[in-house]
Amino acid sequence: QLQLQESGPGLVKPSETLSLTCIVSGGSMNTRGYSWGWIRQPPGKGLEWIGTASYSGSAYYNPSLKGRVTISVDTSKTQFSLNLSSVTAADTAVYYCVRQGPSRYFGYWGQGTLVTVPS
Amino acid sequence: QSALTQPPSASGSPGQSVTISCTGTSSDVGGYDYVSWYQQHPGKAPKFMIFEVTKRPSGVPDRFSGSKSGNTASLTVSGLQAEDEADYYCTSYADSNTILFGGGTKLTVL
Repeated sequence: QLQLQESGPGLVKPSETLSLTCIVSGGSMNTRGYSWGWIRQPPGKGLEWIGTASYSGSAYYNPSLKGRVTISVDTSKTQFSLNLSSVTAADTAVYYCVRQGPSRYFGYWGQGTLVTVPS
Repeated sequence: QSALTQPPSASGSPGQSVTISCTGTSSDVGGYDYVSWYQQHPGKAPKFMIFEVTKRPSGVPDRFSGSKSGNTASLTVSGLQAEDEADYYCTSYADSNTILFGGGTKLTVL
C-alpha cells in the first residue's frame, strides 16, 4: 500500500522560503502516467492545488502562486519536495503531498503538515 | 482561472439522497472528463471518492455516484448515513495543465 509522509519545519518566517519533503513508501515513483504534487488548505478554508511534477522532470504550477513555487522529484531517494519562496501569513496552511493519477485525480494523500507564517 | 462553484452547504435525513453540484466553464468541467470528488472529515486528510466524472475507486460504496451535464458536475450520495457527514470537494483538470478545486460543500446528515 502506497504511503506518503510530509516533513519539514512547522514555522517559517515572512519573506523566507518554505521547504517541505514528502517520503514515498510502498510503491514505485517511476510508474508511467503518475505524478507527484502538493495541495494546501488554510485553516478553516478550502483546498488549493499548488502544483504537480513527474519523475521525468516536467512540472505544472498554480498560476496564482506567481513563480514562487518549485516542485522536484528524486526517485533515487523515493521522495519529492516543495519550495515556496517569499512567504507571507497568507501561506499559512496545512500542506498535503499527493500522488496524481493519469486523469488528474489525487489517489493518495499524506496526513498533512501545518506550516505557520507569522504576520 | 477561478475556483469551481459549489454550494456551501447541503443536508438530508438518513436514508435520503442528496446531490452536490460543481459548476465550472467550458475550459475545465465542460471541456474534460477529468472531474474528481473528495470527502474530508474534520481534522483528516481528504479521501478520494470519484474520478473521471463517474468512476469509483475500489472500496468506495456504490451509494456515491458522479455525473456531468455541460459545465456542471454532480455528486449524489444515496441512502445517507451518519458517517457521510463531511466536507466534499470537486476538482477538474483545466486548460494549460492546471487543476481547479471547488470551494467545498459541508454535508449535514439531519
